[in-house]
Amino acid sequence: DIQMTQSPSTLSASVGDRVTITCRASQSISKWLAWYQQKPGKAPKLLIYKASSLVSGVPSRFSGSGSGTEFSLTISSLQTDDFATYYCQQFKSNVFTFGPGTRVDIK
Amino acid sequence: QVQLVESGGGVVQPGRSLRLSCAASGFTFSDYGIHWVRQAPGKGLEWVAVIWNDGYNKYYADSVKGRFTISRDNSKNTVYLQMNGLTAEDAAVYYCSRDGGHRGYDYTFDVWGQGTMVTVSS
Repeated sequence: DIQMTQSPSTLSASVGDRVTITCRASQSISKWLAWYQQKPGKAPKLLIYKASSLVSGVPSRFSGSGSGTEFSLTISSLQTDDFATYYCQQFKSNVFTFGPGTRVDIK
Repeated sequence: QVQLVESGGGVVQPGRSLRLSCAASGFTFSDYGIHWVRQAPGKGLEWVAVIWNDGYNKYYADSVKGRFTISRDNSKNTVYLQMNGLTAEDAAVYYCSRDGGHRGYDYTFDVWGQGTMVTVSS
């Protein structure tokens, strides 16, 4: 099965900062990579699909890139509402796998 | 509006069974695959199972294969997760989620329920 890793596991940042989270797959997954945001006690929210496509209604400060085994999520200017945990998720061969998550907290 | 509502969670003894339900509304249920995703307290997300819109194609995570069964009733707009042989490692919030493929968000989870808690304890 494909393993997903994320780095860093925790990120401390300030409002207005540009932040980047990296997600790596143990084998190529083409572009089948999505990103989610989860706040405490809430269900996750889909942000990015097919590695770099922004879900309708998601602010344009979120962007995704990558293909194959290495991917990234960038928030161009961190807002108060963005402090949360972010997960990547892959699909291959009818199996879905999430990364372990990256918590973005206030510096 | 588009909504998924889980039910059936609770406290169950190790080795026993539980059936979760996921009721959908606000969209054409038969067009979409539905997933179960779980999250143990303080831990990350784990995909559990998917049933595609035809109701025949079903896939499971290795951790639940042979113990859990996913099914759907398109006449009731409901998906079920039958969980047998529960262990402490199965304790989690269980979310049902819609696969985004019909909207072009292929192989993603685009709509989520609020979750139902499963506790496994003697």
